[in-house]
Amino acid sequence: GAVVSQHPSWVICKSGTSVKIECRSLDFQATTMFWYRQFPKQSLMLMATSNEGSKATYEQGVEKDKFLINHASLTLSTLTVTSAHPEDSSFYICSASGRRAYEQYFGPGTRLTVT
Amino acid sequence: AQSVTQLDSQVPVFEEAPVELRCNYSSSVSVYLFWYVQYPNQGLQLLLKYLSGSTLVKGINGFEAEFNKSQTSFHLRKPSVHISDTAEYFCAVSPNNNDMRFGAGTRLTVKP
Repeated sequence: GAVVSQHPSWVICKSGTSVKIECRSLDFQATTMFWYRQFPKQSLMLMATSNEGSKATYEQGVEKDKFLINHASLTLSTLTVTSAHPEDSSFYICSASGRRAYEQYFGPGTRLTVT
Repeated sequence: AQSVTQLDSQVPVFEEAPVELRCNYSSSVSVYLFWYVQYPNQGLQLLLKYLSGSTLVKGINGFEAEFNKSQTSFHLRKPSVHISDTAEYFCAVSPNNNDMRFGAGTRLTVKP
């Protein structure tokens, strides 16, 4: 149980375009979802936390107008990178927590490359 | 605020040797402690967690960790590693799970 999926697993887009990444909890209801960014050979940096039906809470330094997060249901959160630039290229990982707040379940990640 | 320090960025070991990956944390409040493993181009998999109770925590794949409050440490150990244990390992702390902070990671390389 407690499976989190992400789609797509990798995406290449041109500079200036937008790309949407989906994060789904497949077998549980995720009251909170988290979005992380990971640069090569580095740790995970929390970008934002979202609760179902509420606006996301962004970490300091993360542009909320560039990284749009929608948590429309208890099983789906989306991250949209708007007007992507090469520096947005990274590995994006989502996680979700349910009733047991002390556990986060991680998705497999999405590799974004902006050319 | 909480912070995590993983003392070794890389740990090379030979197959069947024991290994210890070190993690120290700082926090002004009680925290939950976690170890995750990440294989290339994949998400994180939970190895084990400490919430309360016994300070020796056993996890999956033969790993265990010991919580030491006085030394603010949560070192990960395995008595005999396999080639398949080669991966990146992350220590993490959280006061309530909604604010999880990760260490920089330790690259474990198991050599034949």
